[in-house]
Amino acid sequence: GAGVSQSPSNKVTEKGKDVELRCDPISGHTALYWYRQSLGQGLEFLIYFQGNSAPDKSGLPSDRFSAERTGGSVSTLTIQRTQQEDSAVYLCASSLDRGLTPEAFFGQGTRLTVV
Amino acid sequence: GENVEQHPSTLSVQEGDSAVIKCTYSDSASNYFPWYKQELGKGPQLIIDIRSNVGEKKDQRIAVTLNKTAKHFSLHITETQPEDSAVYFCAASDSEDSSYKLIFGSGTRLLVRP
Repeated sequence: GAGVSQSPSNKVTEKGKDVELRCDPISGHTALYWYRQSLGQGLEFLIYFQGNSAPDKSGLPSDRFSAERTGGSVSTLTIQRTQQEDSAVYLCASSLDRGLTPEAFFGQGTRLTVV
Repeated sequence: GENVEQHPSTLSVQEGDSAVIKCTYSDSASNYFPWYKQELGKGPQLIIDIRSNVGEKKDQRIAVTLNKTAKHFSLHITETQPEDSAVYFCAASDSEDSSYKLIFGSGTRLLVRP
């Protein structure tokens, strides 16, 4: 597609339920990032995928959070046993490669509300 | 790891005036510094970036300066317009590091008063 696509755009879930958020990066982009943005706050790094390398998971806030990237393209961020503090906008970004063209392009995000 | 600090958190200017947002970073290995603009309800959009081999870059009303010695970089917007009102984020990364990732500042909410 023309840009990074995220789905759903909005998700309301009950506390304790699991949720899956999806990201379709720009075709051909080898790097993919997930960030979390709480209301009025900055972008908190969660996880980074680069090609076939092991992902950098250093930003995941707890073991309830996990992410996969299948076939080097689509990524899903899974939050298990959601808590109210998980409510935020989850942003996905992709970039062509690491060295020459590191520009990252963001999707519009998934707004997650845990009630 | 990298840490990026951004100031001010809010900035209000009169239309036509200039706006300056400043960021500092901690990792001397960082060599790529993008700036993003985020409008309400949208994802951040890249507006300009600079690499460590240059000290300044301009694109129409927007310019970015980099001081590697002091480890700080700034965004300058001249002749501000109401449509410049948004939240601006700086970021830093080491694009040659195998664990490369963008680390963002906390954002600056810019309001341009008509």
